[in-house]
Amino acid sequence: AQSVTQLDSHVSVSEGTPVLLRCNYSSSYSPSLFWYVQHPNKGLQLLLKYTSAATLVKGINGFEAEFKKSETSFHLTKPSAHMSDAAEYFCVVSVRGYSTLTFGKGTMLLVSP
Amino acid sequence: DVKVTQSSRYLVKRTGEKVFLECVQDMDHENMFWYRQDPGLGLRLIYFSYDVKMKEKGDIPEGYSVSREKKERFSLILESASTNQTSMYLCASTPGAGGETQYFGPGTRLLVL
Repeated sequence: AQSVTQLDSHVSVSEGTPVLLRCNYSSSYSPSLFWYVQHPNKGLQLLLKYTSAATLVKGINGFEAEFKKSETSFHLTKPSAHMSDAAEYFCVVSVRGYSTLTFGKGTMLLVSP
Repeated sequence: DVKVTQSSRYLVKRTGEKVFLECVQDMDHENMFWYRQDPGLGLRLIYFSYDVKMKEKGDIPEGYSVSREKKERFSLILESASTNQTSMYLCASTPGAGGETQYFGPGTRLLVL
């Protein structure tokens, strides 16, 4: 069985400040982990994914995430928020080699000027 | 680029109607998925299909059925729509075994009155 917990339903930051979106996972097997982003009225877009290579994963638009097995975490970060980052972010877990995904409930990122 | 299209962006139906949501992908992907997305609940898997004419129940299949007669097309059917099926429906596809990144369509927002 696998599950994902996104620790914050909403995160508010000012433009130019760092972003941290927190995610903890549970998986009986070696997980694959993803972050997806959904802008208003748009479909989901893959930001980044971890399979089994480097634990620090770089994604699009300056985002990155670090896989920490000891903490069962996969937090998403960005050094400097931009207004266009305002969106909902989903942390997702999958058992490696299988196609089904388990989604977290989402974190809404609000960016103020 | 992978393209996943859904037949309607917005749909309004009456309680008791039979509703068809269509999804088409153009990348010869083996696997296709239907999710529903509700605020605060993230995405929940309704049904998925690993091959033509094959289907598997996801986490919330009750009240839904699916059809996959051709590889590129995956239909979600609400046999008798109810108000609690008002939601955003997202279709996704992914290549065969090992290809875990899911590619999403833009979604269909269904309102059942």
